Amino acid sequence: GDSVTQMEGPVTLSEEAFLTINCTYTATGYPSLFWYVQYPGEGLQLLLKATKADDKGSNKGFEATYRKETTSFHLEKGSVQVSDSAVYFCALSDRGAQKLVFGQGTRLTINP
Amino acid sequence: ETGVTQSPTHLIKTRGQQVTLRCSSQSGHNTVSWYQQALGQGPQFIFQYYREEENGRGNFPPRFSGLQFPNYSSELNVNALELDDSALYLCASSLALVTGTDTQYFGPGTRLTVL
Repeated sequence: GDSVTQMEGPVTLSEEAFLTINCTYTATGYPSLFWYVQYPGEGLQLLLKATKADDKGSNKGFEATYRKETTSFHLEKGSVQVSDSAVYFCALSDRGAQKLVFGQGTRLTINP
Repeated sequence: ETGVTQSPTHLIKTRGQQVTLRCSSQSGHNTVSWYQQALGQGPQFIFQYYREEENGRGNFPPRFSGLQFPNYSSELNVNALELDDSALYLCASSLALVTGTDTQYFGPGTRLTVL
């Protein structure tokens, strides 16, 4: 079945550092790919998405490019802030799919 | 535009009891999905409702059941609660399109503790 694998956390960085969180997927079809973010005590917020190969999703300085050849959707940000501290989830959804399949999440802590 | 809301925010039950969780979908959305998120894990798909009918189910036993109402709000019912049912239950709404289901938007969740 479909699956998503994220880099193990937790990840701790200093403010203004460069961030990469790796995400790879396995899917039989042509999925849409998503990054969701979860702040402490809250539900999931959509951060960005891409629906086809080579699409780049971007939001709030975060970017991720849908790489079909490497089945990856790595999340990047050039300069992180303390407010970016949260848990980040990579997810996929097949076209017409009834569900999202999530990775295990990566906890990110940014120190001032 | 009103986002996805869930109630209650927290709930404590004992083993064997039954629980009902509620979700109001975002305005204009006709599809509701439910997910279970155990501590430290990613959310797991329970089921989805579209136009009051179940439209897909994950690997959860029949004691997990649901409803969707004409206004597209939804309930998740869990019977015979077990300790392992302790989790954050997330509701997500979306708009079903001819080409597939659009992006899912999540509510804040209901934290269920089973003692």
